[in-house]
Amino acid sequence: AQRVTQPEKLLSVFKGAPVELKCNYSYSGSPELFWYVQYSRQRLQLLLRHISRESIKGFTADLNKGETSFHLKKPFAQEEDSAMYYCALRIMNRDDKIIFGKGTRLHILP
Amino acid sequence: GAVVSQHPSWVICKSGTSVKIECRSLDFQATTMFWYRQFPKQSLMLMATSNEGSKATYEQGVEKDKFLINHASLTLSTLTVTSAHPEDSSFYICSARRAGELFFGEGSRLTVL
Repeated sequence: AQRVTQPEKLLSVFKGAPVELKCNYSYSGSPELFWYVQYSRQRLQLLLRHISRESIKGFTADLNKGETSFHLKKPFAQEEDSAMYYCALRIMNRDDKIIFGKGTRLHILP
Repeated sequence: GAVVSQHPSWVICKSGTSVKIECRSLDFQATTMFWYRQFPKQSLMLMATSNEGSKATYEQGVEKDKFLINHASLTLSTLTVTSAHPEDSSFYICSARRAGELFFGEGSRLTVL
């Protein structure tokens, strides 16, 4: 079954410390993965996608097909990174849709 | 970036009534839109894929007669919650895809009394 798993509901990190938000997926096809972010009182927005291999706001994520993971990382956390982060997987079979993990709330401590 | 707008942003209704939520792509055409439901402090659950000019594709466990979706034009999809009950109270979010990226509406909060 297709599934996105984010094992941490809440992650608290001190400002300046490294951040890693975990994401694992289950999908039989070729995966296309995304990270979306939702800041307080704002709508969901795309943070990055693995096919573009870019770094946004200092965040990077590498697709590891062997471990079926797409962890989100940032070397030095900033207070403005506090938000809800969702890992998402594009399902492309007869449908073409995107499903989300349960999300991880990142709280940056001063 | 592309803009997706939902209306109303919040609606309160009595149990048994029907409520319609609109989702518009303001500056692009979207042949496909998606409807998600988000419970408090939980993830987005995909309810259905709305296809312009054809029937919506519902996810397993989502009652199609309960959540009617209409995608009559390339810029508008509607979700109608029929005979709403308190358990339907939730945050409903639509999104539209453009160039492989999903753009989200601001969400519509439904409260059923």
